[in-house]
Amino acid sequence: AQSVTQLGSHVSVSEGALVLLRCNYSSSVPPYLFWYVQYPNQGLQLLLKYTTGATLVKGINGFEAEFKKSETSFHLTKPSAHMSDAAEYFCAVTRSSNTGKLIFGQGTTLQVKP
Amino acid sequence: DAGVTQSPTHLIKTRGQQVTLRCSPKSGHDTVSWYQQALGQGPQFIFQYYEEEERQRGNFPDRFSGHQFPNYSSELNVNALLLGDSALYLCASSRGRAQAYEQYFGPGTRLTVT
Repeated sequence: AQSVTQLGSHVSVSEGALVLLRCNYSSSVPPYLFWYVQYPNQGLQLLLKYTTGATLVKGINGFEAEFKKSETSFHLTKPSAHMSDAAEYFCAVTRSSNTGKLIFGQGTTLQVKP
Repeated sequence: DAGVTQSPTHLIKTRGQQVTLRCSPKSGHDTVSWYQQALGQGPQFIFQYYEEEERQRGNFPDRFSGHQFPNYSSELNVNALLLGDSALYLCASSRGRAQAYEQYFGPGTRLTVT
């Protein structure tokens, strides 16, 4: 079975500091991996995805993530946090052979302090 | 280009009642997936519809059922509501089975069961 673990339910950074949100996955087959962001009272917006090819993927709003198979990780980073980055972030996985069912982590709340 | 829309935005029901939630997919999309997001949790996959048929189902009881119409819109029905069914219900649409992993989410319907 597939699963996702997001380390740290709450992360707090200062504006301008590095953002690092951790995600580890479990999958017996090659995974497709995703990061979504959810602002209060809104749905989920796709930040970036990894399917095949380059392991460093760039997304919207300056975010990027690196797929590390040996570490079963897909951590999300942004060099400089902005106040507007404060939100809930979800890592998700699906099987490359079964691409319709996304398995989500519990989420990480990012707080950005001025 | 309209994104995924859901109705209603909020809904309050009593235990034992039945509820129907509606979703219109993004233009050009033909696959609809439904997720349940309990407070403080990540979304959980309920089921997916493609070509008017349920193609995949998550670990939800038969009280949860759905339908997809010829115009690709979809309904989620929940019978015999329980307090534990209180959650944000998210609809996601995608294009075709090969790209079912690239899901665009609607804003959700907040269901409260009292």
